[in-house]
This record gives sequence, C-alpha cells and structure tokens, in this order.
Amino acid sequence: GAGVSQSPSNKVTEKGKDVELRCDPISGHTALYWYRQRLGQGLEFLIYFQGNSAPDKSGLPSDRFSAERTGESVSTLTIQRTQQEDSAVYLCASRRAVTTYEQYFGPGTRLTVT
Amino acid sequence: GNSVTQMEGPVTLSEEAFLTINCTYTATGYPSLFWYVQYPGEGLQLLLKATKADDKGSNKGFEATYRKETTSFHLEKGSVQVSDSAVYFCALILNTDKLIFGTGTRLQVFP
Repeated sequence: GAGVSQSPSNKVTEKGKDVELRCDPISGHTALYWYRQRLGQGLEFLIYFQGNSAPDKSGLPSDRFSAERTGESVSTLTIQRTQQEDSAVYLCASRRAVTTYEQYFGPGTRLTVT
Repeated sequence: GNSVTQMEGPVTLSEEAFLTINCTYTATGYPSLFWYVQYPGEGLQLLLKATKADDKGSNKGFEATYRKETTSFHLEKGSVQVSDSAVYFCALILNTDKLIFGTGTRLQVFP
C-alpha cells in the first residue's frame, strides 16, 4: 500500500491479557517509530528502529512493553499483562532514511483495557 | 530536557477568522520544528516544517516562522475554514531522531 498501515484498528481486551499490535511501514523506509497517545495528552515516544541498529527503547514505560522489527519490514508492539492505564491510541510512523525528517504516520490502533 | 509547549484548546472560531496557535520549545541544540494535523478519524499528517532559524514553513494557507530568539513556532492562518477543524500538534526533532510533541490544540471552526 501507499501508506503506513496498522492492525487491528480497534482492540478491546481484559486487564491482565497480552496484546500484539502490528505496523506495516511504507516500503523502503528504514526507520520505524511507535508512539502512544493517551486521551487528552500529546504523543509519547515509545521505541525507534533504524535499519539493523539496536533499537532506541528509551520511551518504553515498563518491561511489560516490547517491540520487534525484522529488517525493514513489519513491526509488532507487544504489551503483556495489560493494565487500564495502557488504554490509548498506539501510532506507528516510518521515515525513509536517516537524512530525512518527515515521519509518515499510520491511522493508529485504539486499545481499550477493561 | 527537550520539550514543546502549546496553547490548550479548544480554540473556537468562526469561518474566515484569523487563527494563531502558540507553540514554544525547549531544546538542547538546534531542532527542526514541525506542525502536524490530525483530522477527525484520520492519522497524523505533516502540515509544515522549518529546519533553521528564520525559516518560514507554509502549506494550505497555514504559516509558521522559526523564531530562535523567542524559541517559538506559532501557527497562523489568515482565514480559517470549517474544513480546518482538527487537532494541531507542534513538534520538534533533533538529529533526525524521535519527534517530541506538544499536547495538541483542538481547533473548531463554525460556519
């Protein structure tokens, strides 16, 4: 596709369950980011992948959060033992190369933990 | 640390009114500055950017000037339309790394 895609678009889960969110970046984009947008707040950086370099995990809020990316393709964000405060929209973005600034965002996954 | 502060919303305007959404930043180094827009039900889109002091970013009638002396990047539009109703995010980036966002400002334009 032409843009960044994310799935599922909506996810409702019970507290304590694990969830997996998927991001398909734009083909050829070397950088991939995950952000979180909680209700009424700005976007928080979670994790950043750049090519084959070690990811920047400095934004992950706890060890319940993890993410993987294979090469320059799909990424998955996993949240284990979900808590109600994890409820948010999770946004993925990709960027073409290190020398460019623009990040292209997907539509997000709205996660609701009940 | 690095941060972005923008005015709280919602900003409510009548069509054809003048818009200003204030944004100031704190950064170690020389950031690039951005405005992103999120229309209802859609993903974030880059609206405009400026990569160095005194640059003016512009798009779709919106403008913002990178003011290093006041560490500001205020968004302006001379005549808003109903279709401009959205949430606007100011953001900065350093060293082509992760974006740091403000909390967003909701704009509501009524006919």
